[in-house]
Amino acid sequence: AQSVTQLGSHVSVSEGALVLLRCNYSSSVPPYLFWYVQYPNQGLQLLLKYTSAATLVKGINGFEAEFKKSETSFHLTKPSAHMSDAAEYFCAVTGSTNFGNEKLTFGTGTRLTIIP
Amino acid sequence: EAQVTQNPRYLITVTGKKLTVTCSQNMNHEYMSWYRQDPGLGLRQIYYSMNVEVTDKGDVPEGYKVSRKEKRNFPLILESPSPNQTSLYFCASTGRTEAFFGQGTRLTVV
Repeated sequence: AQSVTQLGSHVSVSEGALVLLRCNYSSSVPPYLFWYVQYPNQGLQLLLKYTSAATLVKGINGFEAEFKKSETSFHLTKPSAHMSDAAEYFCAVTGSTNFGNEKLTFGTGTRLTIIP
Repeated sequence: EAQVTQNPRYLITVTGKKLTVTCSQNMNHEYMSWYRQDPGLGLRQIYYSMNVEVTDKGDVPEGYKVSRKEKRNFPLILESPSPNQTSLYFCASTGRTEAFFGQGTRLTVV
């Protein structure tokens, strides 16, 4: 079984500041991990994914995340926030051994606000 | 282009009036699923299907039905909607290393 904890349901950062969104996971098998972004009134867009290759994963729009097995974490970062980054972000986990036949388990989401 | 198409995008209905939300994918995926998104709860799986005629309950199946008569289509059926089913619904189609989501259906039951 898998679970995800996203620390901080709301995060505010100033434009140009570092963005750090936290995600910790629990999985009984080696995990695949994902970050999705949801802009207002839109669907879910994949930002990046970890599928057991490189532990530092780069995604779209300048975001990256590092898989740390020892800390069971997959935090999302961006060096310099932009106003267009304002959105809700979801971390998700699934088991790697049967991917394609298992559900994604999502965290409760983090709403990111960018302060001008 | 890989696509998951949901319809309608917005729906307001009354309690007890049966409705269907359609979902179609063009990627020949076997695994499809439905999620509902509620504030503070993230996305929770309602039902999933591992292939044609193979469906099973997810975490929150009460009040919903699904069918999978063709590989590309996976409709969600609410036979007697209630106000607690007011939510944002997403259909997903899962490939080898990624799940693709539809644009969502915002359902309001009054």
